[in-house]
This record gives sequence, structure tokens and C-alpha cells, in this order.
Amino acid sequence: NAGVTQTPKFQVLKTGQSMTLQCAQDMNHNSMYWYRQDPGMGLRLIYYSASEGTTDKGEVPNGYNVSRLNKREFSLRLESAAPSQTSVYFCASSERFRGGAAGRSSYEQYFGPGTRLTVT
Amino acid sequence: AQSVTQLDSQVPVFEEAPVELRCNYSSSVSVYLFWYVQYPNQGLQLLLKYLSGSTLVKGINGFEAEFNKSQTSFHLRKPSVHISDTAEYFCAVMAPLTGTASKLTFGTGTRLQVTL
Repeated sequence: NAGVTQTPKFQVLKTGQSMTLQCAQDMNHNSMYWYRQDPGMGLRLIYYSASEGTTDKGEVPNGYNVSRLNKREFSLRLESAAPSQTSVYFCASSERFRGGAAGRSSYEQYFGPGTRLTVT
Repeated sequence: AQSVTQLDSQVPVFEEAPVELRCNYSSSVSVYLFWYVQYPNQGLQLLLKYLSGSTLVKGINGFEAEFNKSQTSFHLRKPSVHISDTAEYFCAVMAPLTGTASKLTFGTGTRLQVTL
């Protein structure tokens, strides 16, 4: 299993350009996520998809759009890139596993290697 | 609302010394807690998780964490660190969302720097 894969690994854009970050997972997970990581701020959720055909906003959705193409793939689009979108972008996927201690569900998110985006 | 505080942005330590990385959380719902590790230029890897049950949780690479409800803490410990443990460590609290989705709220991270 490759787990969660992301393309490209690096990208440099000029202000106003558009691009799509691709993400795919081979673990048959229902849920997928996009995060951005900025120095001193940890990771923040941009958008997520609870299941194929659904998407919802996270903490910082402005300036982004997403598409859940099928169960495996979840893409993130920047329509008009801005320097404030310079960041490292991570895709993740998860599934809920029942049967943990005291009957609680286990949620674990698995992360891709990231895309380092610079907007000049 | 949930939040996570990692008070130490950097922790320098000598090889074979013990280390503790501190994490405090706030959550208005049942608590699920995680520690992730990020090696340079890589994604996040799950170290360990607390869902319920025993308050002492063991993870990979010899790490363990203790859930303390009264102090709302989930500190990460290792009795003897190795150079290869040099990485960024993130504490996170999770809340269920719709369906099988979940929301992770991360702390700002602690950079563990192990030297000889």
C-alpha cells in the first residue's frame, strides 16, 4: 500500500495563477482532508470530505476549492494564488473503526508527504 | 470548542537523556488525544493515541504518554532519546464530525533536538 500520495511535491506560482493539488489514498477510507501547515501555527483544516460526494469547509477555507473526484481522490484548487497561501499542504484520510475500549470508536488520520507551495 | 497548547516550542536534549514534551488541551466533548511526529520534509506519522481506558498509553519508538483528566494534560515521554528522535512533535485533540470524518485540532508543535 502506498497510503496517501500527493502531487506535486514542490510548486512555485506567481500571484494570480491557479493550480490544483492532487491527493489519492489506497486504504479505502471514506473521509479525506486538506490541511495547511505554517510556521508556529501547527496544521489547520482547510476542507474535508466525510464521504464520496460530500465536502465541507474547515477552519481556513477562503481562497480554496475542493473536489472529491471519487472515493480515492480529493483535490485542492487555488483559483487565484496569493502570497498568503505560501505554505505546506497536507492531505489526509481516515476511517472510523468501532470496537475500541469501552466501545469507543477509533479515528486515525493518515497523512501524505505534503506539497510545498510558494507564491511570489 | 477545542484547543491544544504546547508550551515548549523547542526542547534540546542530549542523547540517552529522558525527555518530556508537554501538551495541555481543552475540550467540551469526550476526549480523543493524539501525538504525531514529523521528521524533516515528511508528513505526519501517528505516535500514539488515547481513546479511553488506561491513562498510560504506549506508542511506537519507545514513546509513551499519560492522560491526566484533572490537569487536562497529555504529556509525551521517552526515558532515553536517540539522535533519530530529532523531529517536530504535534499534540492534537480530535472531535467527531459527520459520518466517519473527524476534526483534529493541533498544537503549534515542539521541536525536539537531540545532540551527542
